[in-house]
Amino acid sequence: QKEVEQNSGPLSVPEGAIASLNCTYSDRGSQSFFWYRQYSGKSPELIMSIYSNGDKEDGRFTAQLNKASQYVSLLIRDSQPSDSATYLCAVKEYGNKLVFGAGTILRVKS
Amino acid sequence: EPEVTQTPSHQVTQMGQEVILRCVPISNHLYFYWYRQILGQKVEFLVSFYNNEISEKSEIFDDQFSVERPDGSNFTLKIRSTKLEDSAMYFCASTARGLAETQYFGPGTRLLVL
Repeated sequence: QKEVEQNSGPLSVPEGAIASLNCTYSDRGSQSFFWYRQYSGKSPELIMSIYSNGDKEDGRFTAQLNKASQYVSLLIRDSQPSDSATYLCAVKEYGNKLVFGAGTILRVKS
Repeated sequence: EPEVTQTPSHQVTQMGQEVILRCVPISNHLYFYWYRQILGQKVEFLVSFYNNEISEKSEIFDDQFSVERPDGSNFTLKIRSTKLEDSAMYFCASTARGLAETQYFGPGTRLLVL
């Protein structure tokens, strides 16, 4: 079973700060990477997908991928209290299934 | 915006009973999935389904589980004889095409087995 590792947190940041979330994966052949946000008791909600090395920006969110280091990160700029949630890193294995990390709890304090 | 829908939102059942969880994937999507999340644990893949057959399944998806697409819109997960450890959130997901496509998740069914 391929592994996806995340620091469980909680990561606490003040409102307006940058939150940095990290993820490592074990399958060197993985090609597709996703960040989902999950509020307590709710389903995963897609934030970003990334497939190529480098940065991908979407509004306040930036995903970063380094395949050589098998590392994916998510930066959230100008963090808001509404960003408080669990952030799930997911890696698509050969075939179509997603392998999820355990998630990082983010708390944004106002 | 099209969404994946799931029913029921909550289901309580007795151990040994059969349950059917229902999902309506996004209308033009072709690949369908079931995942589950035991409280406090990771989201885990159960099964993927394409072209009216299972394309992949996990070790969790044993003979007690089955999936079906009974018509053009519904996608169901049946647990034949529920166990206490089947208590979890069950999420349906779908994607338009398989490779490198984002999977969109439904709101989930919370199953409690007593």
